[in-house]
Amino acid sequence: DVKVTQSSRYLVKRTGEKVFLECVQDMDHENMFWYRQDPGLGLRLIYFSYDVKMKEKGDIPEGYSVSREKKERFSLILESASTNQTSMYLCASTPTGGKYEQYFGPGTRLTVT
Amino acid sequence: EDQVTQSPEALRLQEGESSSLNCSYTVSGLRGLFWYRQDPGKGPEFLFTLYSAGEEKEKERLKATLTKKESFLHITAPKPEDSATYLCAVYKAGYSTLTFGKGTMLLVSP
Repeated sequence: DVKVTQSSRYLVKRTGEKVFLECVQDMDHENMFWYRQDPGLGLRLIYFSYDVKMKEKGDIPEGYSVSREKKERFSLILESASTNQTSMYLCASTPTGGKYEQYFGPGTRLTVT
Repeated sequence: EDQVTQSPEALRLQEGESSSLNCSYTVSGLRGLFWYRQDPGKGPEFLFTLYSAGEEKEKERLKATLTKKESFLHITAPKPEDSATYLCAVYKAGYSTLTFGKGTMLLVSP
């Protein structure tokens, strides 16, 4: 079974703090994604990566950056957290071989106070 | 602009009362349509992929179908444990990402 894990289920940070969210997948997937999910807005893509050290902006990259130093690990960084970044953050990965379904991690509920 | 619209936004059923959820899309070059289940506070769980019009997939009480403009998720004799938000998403030829609908929240009462 595909397994996508995220470093924290719940996180509380203060405004201005630097925040790291980590995602690890164990299925040798090439593509990895970071989303945020908010009530009424659905899933919104922040960044994605299709290879080590490669990254692409999604629909809402402002205020975020990412890092992918190893194939299995994709990190989301909030350089200076703000209250409007309070959200559920979801990581996903996609298998290779022409299949496009994404497998999600359990999510991190981030609260910025 | 590509769009994925799910209806209804919320659906309340009695246990055993069958119904369908709708996912309509306006995407040229559809390469796949995906259904997910999401429980509160958790990540979406992959259910089905449909690739072409006329295709059907089944899993327990769920059956997904696809036409050229929409997909249906039929729920037969639902149970309370089927309560969740159901998301659909589409993959477009030439892109690396999925476009998600906002979901249908299903509540099945005993």
